Order: sequence, then C-alpha cells, then structure tokens
Amino acid sequence: AQKITQTQPGMFVQEKEAVTLDCTYDTSDPSYGLFWYKQPSSGEMIFLIYQGSYDQQNATEGRYSLNFQKARKSANLVISASQLGDSAMYFCAMRESLETQGGSEKLVFGKGTKLTVNP
Amino acid sequence: KAGVTQTPRYLIKTRGQQVTLSCSPISGHRSVSWYQQTPGQGLQFLFEYFSETQRNKGNFPGRFSGRQFSNSRSEMNVSTLELGDSALYLCASRSELMRSPLHFGNGTRLTVT
Repeated sequence: AQKITQTQPGMFVQEKEAVTLDCTYDTSDPSYGLFWYKQPSSGEMIFLIYQGSYDQQNATEGRYSLNFQKARKSANLVISASQLGDSAMYFCAMRESLETQGGSEKLVFGKGTKLTVNP
Repeated sequence: KAGVTQTPRYLIKTRGQQVTLSCSPISGHRSVSWYQQTPGQGLQFLFEYFSETQRNKGNFPGRFSGRQFSNSRSEMNVSTLELGDSALYLCASRSELMRSPLHFGNGTRLTVT
C-alpha cells in the first residue's frame, strides 16, 4: 500500500529565507506522481508542483522546487525567498499507476506540515 | 476559466439527518473526486467519478454515496449522519492528461451536532 510521510508537524522560517519541507513515500509501483499542495486557512487546496517518477530533472515552479531523490524515496519541497503569504499547511501527495492515461484517480496524502513565516 | 465550485460552504446538521453536497468541476474536466479532511485522519479519498460512472472508491461506509451528472457536476450524499462525519469535504476535478493535477474547490465544512 502506498504511504506518504511528512515528519515535520510545524516549521518556522524568517521572511526572505529558504525552507525545505520533507516528504518520504513508499510504493512498489514503478510509475507514480508526486504532488505538493498548499492549504491556507481558507481551506482551498492549491496545487504547487508535480514530479513524475520517470522525470530526469527536479521540478521547479517559480519559487518552488522539488528535491527528488528516487533511491531514497523522498520528494522534499523547497520554497525560496519565503513570503508572509506562504504561511499555510503544506501537503505532499502521491498518485500511483500513471501509465494508464485516463485511469482511475486517487491521491494519498501525508499529514501535512504547518509552515509559519515570521516577519 | 472558473475553478471548482462547491456549495454550500458551511452546513450544520443533526445526528441522524442526511446531507447532500454539490460540486461543479472546471469546464471540460470529466473526472471528479471527493475527499474528507479531519484533524485526526487527515485527507482521505472518498470516491471518484468519470463520465457518470464511479471509477474508484475509498474505504468509507455505504452511508457515503455520490453521483455524477451528464454535465460532470457531482453530488455526494451522507445519510444517517454521525458526529464523526464532521469534516471539511473537498471536491476536485482534473483533466485526462496523465500529469494533470487535481484542482480543488474551497470545500464544504460540515458540522454534525
């Protein structure tokens, strides 16, 4: 069974500094995708970044980058130049069996990390 | 493009009642999924619909059901509500591209008293 582990319940970072949020996963499927979502206090889940298991390079999206270490089964999110608006819950999630296009959809989420950006 | 729309935003119900939540996906998205979020269990997959058919189901009792209409709008129903059903219910849609992410709505916060 697939599993996502986020070991940091809470993290603090100073504004303008970088922060890394940890995520490890467990799966026996060779084809999978890893996602990071941000959830502000309003409740909406906002997609940040995606990494496919066959991607050769680490994903980047603006200030977000993913440190993907396949052998270690880790997919850590790096936020550069933190802003006050980055304060939120961050969730790592995994989708298995991507080889079948249009196949059944199910994400498994970690417990999340609450990030607080201090001014 | 409008995002995923969920109604209502908040609901207060009494134990034993039933409730129906509604979700309108992003235009063109045929896959709609539902998730339950609680402080204790985190985010848990309820079910996924594609072209009016339930394609996948999570480990929830039969009191939780859903359906999808021909315009891809979806509803989920919870019958005989229990206190433990209090949660944020999130709906998400996605396109059929393999790398496409789920796009979530703002959620419906259900409180059962």
